[in-house]
Order: sequence, then structure tokens, then C-alpha cells
Amino acid sequence: GESVGLHLPTLSVQEGDNSIINCAYSNSASDYFIWYKQESGKGPQFIIDIRSNMDKRQGQRVTVLLNKTVKHLSLQIAATQPGDSAVYFCADRIQGAQKLVFGQGTRLTINP
Amino acid sequence: NAGVMQNPRHLVRRRGQEARLRCSPMKGHSHVYWYRQLPEEGLKFMVYLQKENIIDESGMPKERFSAEFPKEGPSILRIQQVVRGDSAAYFCASSPLITAGSSYEQYFGPGTRLTVT
Repeated sequence: GESVGLHLPTLSVQEGDNSIINCAYSNSASDYFIWYKQESGKGPQFIIDIRSNMDKRQGQRVTVLLNKTVKHLSLQIAATQPGDSAVYFCADRIQGAQKLVFGQGTRLTINP
Repeated sequence: NAGVMQNPRHLVRRRGQEARLRCSPMKGHSHVYWYRQLPEEGLKFMVYLQKENIIDESGMPKERFSAEFPKEGPSILRIQQVVRGDSAAYFCASSPLITAGSSYEQYFGPGTRLTVT
């Protein structure tokens, strides 16, 4: 069935270190994946996306890796800053559908 | 260039009352999506609409919930006879016309936090 889950609910890293947030999905028909950042009291904010015909995509300080063999998605944030503290969600779209299926979320805390 | 707008930001209703949540998509966007988020959980899809059409309502509860996106004006999510379990944050997202090869990014509004007392 449709499900997107996360391995860890919380993650704490030191400011300046790199962080990796993981996500597992179950539907082989998913063709598009997105990472969102949500700060307290706000709506999700787009970070980066990747299509299923790719295995890596880089943005500013962020990299998304997609491993279709094991249905695994990760978000790497380089040189973390205090402003990176938030809840991070992965979401996927099943080919042919328009809705996004969200995971539970990982709370990332950056320690000074 | 205003983003997705939602109002009210906070809404308190007593059990049995009606709740109306409004969403104005980004300028130029013709697709609207509603999601619900319970505390400490991810967003759950409710309904997907285009102007005057409901395209996918597979996430909508069968009773008490309805949504519309009229030709003019904002999209409305309506909850009749609210119960405590309806307390949640309701997010609206919008996207432009989806064409082959286009990005599928959905832009989210700030949400409406509904509290049922």
C-alpha cells in the first residue's frame, strides 16, 4: 500500500556538522519524491525534489539520494546552521496520481 | 508575489458547530490540495480540486466534510457538526497547471489550526 516512513523520529547534530535524514517508501509506482521542512507553526516549505529516473540531486547545502532498489530516500544537509532546526518530511507521489503521501517526519535539532 | 493564503489562521469551534476554512492559491495556480495534520504526525491528503471540479477526494471522510473551488473566489473546506477529533492543522497547497516534464512542487500555505472545544 501507500506508505512513506522514516527511520528516526529525532536527530541532534552539532552546528557546522553534516546531517542525514532517512526515509523509506513502499510503493514501487512512486515516481516523484520531495523533501519539505516545517518550522513550528508554519506550513511545509519545499527543499528539494527528485524524480525516480535520477539517483542524486544537489541543491544549496542539500543533497537528496534515491535508492530505488531498497526504496530508500535520504536528505543530506551540509554545514548545518541553527536555522536548519525543524521537522523534515519526505513525501512521494504515485505515478498517475496527484496527491502527495507524507512520512511521519524527523525533528532535527542543531546544537550550538 | 503573494504565496498561498489561508484564513483564518486559528479557529475555535464548539462541538456541533460548522467550520469553514479558506484557501487562496498562488497567482496563476489552478490546482488546490487540502491536507490535515495531527500533532506530531505527517500531513494526510484529503482532497484535490481544480476550478469547479473535485478531482480526487479519496482522503476525505465520507460524512461532514466537503470542499469546493469555485470559478471565482477561494477554495473552501467545510466541516459540519465538528467533533473533538477534527481538531488539527489544515493545510492548503497549490500548484500550477501540470504538464509533462514539469516540476510537481506543491506550495503550502501557513495552515488553519482548528480547535474543537
